[in-house]
Amino acid sequence: QVQLQESGPGLVKPSETLSLTCTVSGGSISSYYWSWIRQPPGKGLEWIGYIYYSGSTNYNPSLKSRVTISVDTSKNQFSLKLSSVTAADTAVYYCARDRRNVGITMVQGVINYYYYYYMDVWGKGTTVTVSS
Amino acid sequence: EIVLTQSPGTLSLSPGERATLSCRASQSVSSSYLAWYQQKPGQAPRLLIYGASSRATGIPDRFSGSGSGTDFTLTISRLEPEDFAVYYCQQYGSPMYTFGQGTKLEIK
Repeated sequence: QVQLQESGPGLVKPSETLSLTCTVSGGSISSYYWSWIRQPPGKGLEWIGYIYYSGSTNYNPSLKSRVTISVDTSKNQFSLKLSSVTAADTAVYYCARDRRNVGITMVQGVINYYYYYYMDVWGKGTTVTVSS
Repeated sequence: EIVLTQSPGTLSLSPGERATLSCRASQSVSSSYLAWYQQKPGQAPRLLIYGASSRATGIPDRFSGSGSGTDFTLTISRLEPEDFAVYYCQQYGSPMYTFGQGTKLEIK
């Protein structure tokens, strides 16, 4: 079964770049989307962005100017870079598999196609603290 | 950006009782884009429901999801001790995902 593991520095200085890697094991990174999500201490979940195995990306508009997500299919890994960090970026960072499954229904002889979007496998998370 | 508002913020119930958690969207959401997650302290979120009403693999049938448009509900028919946790709804509205702020389900 697919497992995800985040890795990277647990402490980053203000104004520097946070860099994390997610290693996919038990399955291939190919043919899937992969997301990064974060959770500040005691708060809720915030989606950061996703990448398709081919390299196409989409980012949260609120973080877009500072985020880069990349993929290395040869290593079965994808990575997150967040630049110019501040204390507000202190959080647990999760990587997750981002599923896009197609569903089919038939109503009165008409076939309808639609896509499910959800995150079905998550890493355990890694805590990143921004502090000097 | 579609905002998801979950209610109540905290729900206090006893094992064996029925839990009803609400997720309201600021504009209409496609049901196929609506998911629910459970998160226990110190753990990653776990997928419970996708497509508003489809249970994820291995999720007990006491968990059910319903709703459409702007109003969605997660129901736990008979609470087990392991169900006390924080629950999040999530939606995909091109081009981004958003999460609700969470409902904490605590033991009364």
